[in-house]
Amino acid sequence: EIVLTQSPGTLSLSPGERATLSCRASQIVSSSYLAWYQQKPGQAPRLLIYGASSRATGIPDRFSGSGSGTDFTLTISRLEPEDFAVYYCQQYASSPLTFGGGTKVEIK
Amino acid sequence: QVQLQESGPGLVKPSGTLSLTCDVSGGSISSSNWWTWVRQPPGKGLEWIGEIYHSGGTNYNPSLRSRVTMSVDKSKNQFSLKLTSVTAADTAMYYCARKSSGPIALDYWGQGTLVTVSS
Repeated sequence: EIVLTQSPGTLSLSPGERATLSCRASQIVSSSYLAWYQQKPGQAPRLLIYGASSRATGIPDRFSGSGSGTDFTLTISRLEPEDFAVYYCQQYASSPLTFGGGTKVEIK
Repeated sequence: QVQLQESGPGLVKPSGTLSLTCDVSGGSISSSNWWTWVRQPPGKGLEWIGEIYHSGGTNYNPSLRSRVTMSVDKSKNQFSLKLTSVTAADTAMYYCARKSSGPIALDYWGQGTLVTVSS
């Protein structure tokens, strides 16, 4: 099983600032089958990034993903008020699919 | 636009069986996608339960495999989850989702349904 470790656990930033979220895998994630999701309170997760760096349909270009192998990053270039949420990474290269523990991006 | 909607009892007794259904609209369950269940205990992170293909092929999380059964009903365009011998640890929001073929991951999600295990 591939274990995903997200850091930091909480990120306190102001609107307009840049957010950098990390996801580290215990094994190489083949084909860069690494996704990022955003979850707001009371809502289902929403797919932001797939294949490590491809934006899902309708996702603003302030969201970008990068990385390969075992180290992946989600960057939000300039935080908008609606971006304050919890973010999860997920690998879907091998079964069982696994999620990271999440990073909460909160307003400073 | 694909939409998914979970349904089922919100309260299950300990040692009982949790049964949920996910209705798929706006697309065919017989398309080249895997149909997935994910759960989230209150205040905690996401856990993948498993997935099923329209042909009936399944992949389950090893941590739940002995208690999980998934099925597909093509005539109703829906898929289902059964989890047996439930305990309070199975209390969670249960989501159904579509794992798109290829590299796109879980691109459509239901709104989720809260299942509480309690006597």
